[in-house]
Amino acid sequence: QLVLTQSPSASASLGASVKLTCTLSSGHSSYAIAWHQQQPEKGPRYLMKIDTDGSHIKGDGIPDRFSGSSSGPERYLTISSLQSEDEADYYCQTWGPGIGNWVFGGGTKLTVL
Amino acid sequence: QVQLVESGGGVVQPGGSLRLSCAASGFIFSSYAIHWVRQAPGKGLEWVAVISADSNIRHYTESVKGRFTISRDNSKNILYLQMSSLRAEDTAVYYCAKEEGFLLPFDYWGQGSLVTVSS
Repeated sequence: QLVLTQSPSASASLGASVKLTCTLSSGHSSYAIAWHQQQPEKGPRYLMKIDTDGSHIKGDGIPDRFSGSSSGPERYLTISSLQSEDEADYYCQTWGPGIGNWVFGGGTKLTVL
Repeated sequence: QVQLVESGGGVVQPGGSLRLSCAASGFIFSSYAIHWVRQAPGKGLEWVAVISADSNIRHYTESVKGRFTISRDNSKNILYLQMSSLRAEDTAVYYCAKEEGFLLPFDYWGQGSLVTVSS
């Protein structure tokens, strides 16, 4: 079964960097994923797609402070020079070849201290 | 720029019906699959349904099969979600999301429409 696992919470200081992790379930380590940001009381916003080789393509207007990488079944989102507006929930998403196979991770709530 | 604007949410009694709409602009609506995703209060994102660009393919999450129907009007650039036999567990903010392409992620989202199922 295709499952994405995220830590429920993370925190980092203003101006620092943070690395969020999304782990693909066993047997699915070659899947690409996408990261989405959801600021409080807003709809999600697409950040980027990350392939198994770590290459990533960002969405429109996403700052250079956001980058992605990959290692085995893990996909990462790194945010550098943290700003207050980066405080949000971050969801990873993947999609499989099967019928109706669109999956979200449980989300990571990022607190900027 | 790409915009997706949901409407039609509200309060409905258990067993009732409601139709959500998603008005699209800023892209060639008839060329892209569009999804519905929901978020229960305080919870994460849950995929609900998808419709292909030409409406030939429609898929639903198991919990809404037989109760929800996704459709679209490419002449009006509008996506719909007809919801019936609503349950308390359907209470959520419903988002429409544009798929970037086949086996690609969702690249644009709407702001959401709240559906509350309560007596």
